[in-house]
Amino acid sequence: DGGITQSPKYLFRKEGQNVTLSCEQNLNHDAMYWYRQDPGQGLRLIYYSQIVNDFQKGDIAEGYSVSREKKESFPLTVTSAQKNPTAFYLCASQAGVYNEQFFGPGTRLTVL
Amino acid sequence: SQQGEEDPQALSIQEGENATMNCSYKTSINNLQWYRQNSGRGLVHLILIRSNEREKHSGRLRVTLDTSKKSSSLLITASRAADTASYFCAPFSGGYNKLIFGAGTRLAVHP
Repeated sequence: DGGITQSPKYLFRKEGQNVTLSCEQNLNHDAMYWYRQDPGQGLRLIYYSQIVNDFQKGDIAEGYSVSREKKESFPLTVTSAQKNPTAFYLCASQAGVYNEQFFGPGTRLTVL
Repeated sequence: SQQGEEDPQALSIQEGENATMNCSYKTSINNLQWYRQNSGRGLVHLILIRSNEREKHSGRLRVTLDTSKKSSSLLITASRAADTASYFCAPFSGGYNKLIFGAGTRLAVHP
């Protein structure tokens, strides 16, 4: 099955801890994206990567970090510097910038 | 990059009725994309319409694009309860621009 997966589905974090959200795709897409969604809101772009070993900051990158060591994987780390990390996080991949994006099922992060 | 603005913010209809959602944008585009999001899930791509296209169909979905008015509409015909979701438009200007998703239209279809 081709697709994009995210894990875990639910994640709980204590204040001051870093957590890493997983995103994997087997669609052979070059581009991958991380979005944050708050209740009743649209998506805001955190980071994106258009090729392995390269990534760019989106609109709300502060307090987040990413890596792109493999084409299939684009993990997102939510650091303790992110002041309000409770949100729904969505990962997406794209064959090329002129094409549609494919989304994973999301990870809901709650800070306790 | 530019954000699409969906209208209305919320729409409530009965099963069997048609639902129309609109999207406006500000600058020229290469294409415009529509997505659906069921509650607590990821987004699902519905239709991509290119700037040289005026209308596109997919099953019960019909998308129109008017580049002179910088607007698009999504029509869902004979709606079903399963169509209950949020719908987002994302205009894409091409090149190094990114897709920007607005707040969406929340559609509720009542049995």
